[in-house]
Amino acid sequence: NAGVTQTPKFQVLKTGQSMTLQCAQDMNHEYMSWYRQDPGMGLRLIHYSVGAGITDQGEVPNGYNVSRSTTEDFPLRLLSAAPSQTSVYFCASSYGNTQYFGPGTRLTVL
Amino acid sequence: AQRVTQPEKLLSVFKGAPVELKCNYSYSGSPELFWYVQYSRQRLQLLLRHISRESIKGFTADLNKGETSFHLKKPFAQEEDSAMYYCALRNAGSARQLTFGSGTQLTVLP
Repeated sequence: NAGVTQTPKFQVLKTGQSMTLQCAQDMNHEYMSWYRQDPGMGLRLIHYSVGAGITDQGEVPNGYNVSRSTTEDFPLRLLSAAPSQTSVYFCASSYGNTQYFGPGTRLTVL
Repeated sequence: AQRVTQPEKLLSVFKGAPVELKCNYSYSGSPELFWYVQYSRQRLQLLLRHISRESIKGFTADLNKGETSFHLKKPFAQEEDSAMYYCALRNAGSARQLTFGSGTQLTVLP
């Protein structure tokens, strides 16, 4: 099992550009989520999904879109990048009480 | 609204000394509490959860509902314990969203 994988590992964008952060899991978990990690603020939930075709907003959803067409994939789209979106992004999938995290994507928006 | 507070951003102890990482929460329902750990250049992973009442790598944490706390303790810190520690709360009645604290960076000095 590869577990939870994320691509890319690093990305630099200019303000206004769009991009998609990829997340995939091979554990057949129904629940997946996206977090951003900022210094002094811990991890904050952006969006989550309880299964294919079902998504919902978390604490900080503005500026991000998600979709869940398959159980395995849960991409996060930045529609028009802003410097405030500079962060480390983590994808996670969940089974029972345990969340399994990906390695993260470090995004810088100039 | 649920909230998790970790009052210490940084904590340094000497090897062999006891360590306590503080976590307080506010939630009116029946919470589930967790500790997650992120070692340098590794992904975030579950350390322990209150419902299991387990000891992992010498760490324990007791849920104190009266004080709304879930402090993480270890009697004798080791250098390999140096990491970022996050306390997290889940609404037992909801989907699997976690609310994270802001994290405590623990450094164990030789």
